[in-house]
Amino acid sequence: DIQMTQSPSSLSASLGDRVTITCRASQSITDYLNWYQQKPGKAPNLLIHSASTLQSGVPSRFSGSGSGTDFNLTISSLQPEDFAVYYCQQSDRTPFNFGPGTRVDIK
Amino acid sequence: QVQLQESGPGLVKPSETLSLSCAVSGYAMSSGYYWGWIRQSPEKGLEWIGSIYHSGGSYYNPSLESRVSLSVDTSKNQFSLKLRSVTAADTAVYYCARHWPNRSRFDTWGQGTLATVSS
Repeated sequence: DIQMTQSPSSLSASLGDRVTITCRASQSITDYLNWYQQKPGKAPNLLIHSASTLQSGVPSRFSGSGSGTDFNLTISSLQPEDFAVYYCQQSDRTPFNFGPGTRVDIK
Repeated sequence: QVQLQESGPGLVKPSETLSLSCAVSGYAMSSGYYWGWIRQSPEKGLEWIGSIYHSGGSYYNPSLESRVSLSVDTSKNQFSLKLRSVTAADTAVYYCARHWPNRSRFDTWGQGTLATVSS
């Protein structure tokens, strides 16, 4: 199985900050990497697929980069609605494992 | 707009079978896509359980494959999960989701349903 790790596990940031979350795969997954946002009591919401393709309807302040084993999710200017938990998910092969999540909260 | 809604008993006894259904609205399942189940617990985080095609072909997480079966009923526009021989470790919020086979992303999710395994 491909194992996914994320760093940091949590971070505190202020409105307007630029935030970067890192996801690492235990082996190369080329660009088969998706990012989700989850708010309390809600289902995850797809933000980015194929490492860098923004899902329809997702604000352009979200961006993804990386390939191989190392990936980043960047929020260019943090907004109030962005405080949430973010997960990466590899889609290269089954089982489609998720990372443990990164919690973004208010400083 | 596609919407998914899980349903099923919230409480299951150990060793019994957990059965959940997911009703799909706003899209005819017979038109395509895979349909998946994902669960979430504090201990294991998000865990993909398995996915099924509208015609019935399916694939599963090897860690659960011996206990899981998925089925689809396109006449009712719903799909279902059965998890046998449950233990407390199967207590989780269970989500159904639309699964794009291209890049295997889950683009639309149900709200989730909590299933607790307890006597």
